Amino acid sequence: AQKITQTQPGMFVQEKEAVTLDCTYDTSDPSYGLFWYKQPSSGEMIFLIYQGSYDQQNATEGRYSLNFQKARKSANLVISASQLGDSAMYFCAMRELIGTASKLTFGTGTRLQVTL
Amino acid sequence: GAVVSQHPSRVICKSGTSVKIECRSLDFQATTMFWYRQFPKKSLMLMATSNEGSKATYEQGVEKDKFLINHASLTLSTLTVTSAHPEDSSFYICSASQGYSNQPQHFGDGTRLSIL
Repeated sequence: AQKITQTQPGMFVQEKEAVTLDCTYDTSDPSYGLFWYKQPSSGEMIFLIYQGSYDQQNATEGRYSLNFQKARKSANLVISASQLGDSAMYFCAMRELIGTASKLTFGTGTRLQVTL
Repeated sequence: GAVVSQHPSRVICKSGTSVKIECRSLDFQATTMFWYRQFPKKSLMLMATSNEGSKATYEQGVEKDKFLINHASLTLSTLTVTSAHPEDSSFYICSASQGYSNQPQHFGDGTRLSIL
């Protein structure tokens, strides 16, 4: 069975600072994918970044980067130069394959609050 | 980027009413769509996987007769909450997958359902 753990229910960061949101996972599948989504108060789920289990390099997308440590089974999200608009819930998710479709299992989320 | 449209965004109705929620993939064909339920300040819980042209696959504990899913075409899946009661009040969100591996699931904006 797969499991995603986000141990930080809430985080504060000052504007323009960097912040790391933790995510650990547990799977016996050699092939898997890890995703981070942002959910603002309005409710929509916004895809941020993806890391494949076989990817050699850590994923980056603009101000988002993923600190992927395979041996530790962690996939932490790093947000650089935080902005007020980054305040939201952040979910880590792991892909499980069902045929050719991806089934996602989500962590419990981290609420990030960016302060002035 | 890929767009998923979900309608309606908000529903308030009386107990005993059946409510239909639509999920459309606007610019790609989605053989598989997913329906999630999210309680306040909680994570997304997968309810069912909707497969075009075949029966949906429900997660354990989800009542098939309560939550009817129809995936009639490659761009449309519907979730009908039958004879809704106050405990069915929740945030329902759909997603669609373009396929396999590193393709993220694209989410609709969600439907906030309130049963009086």
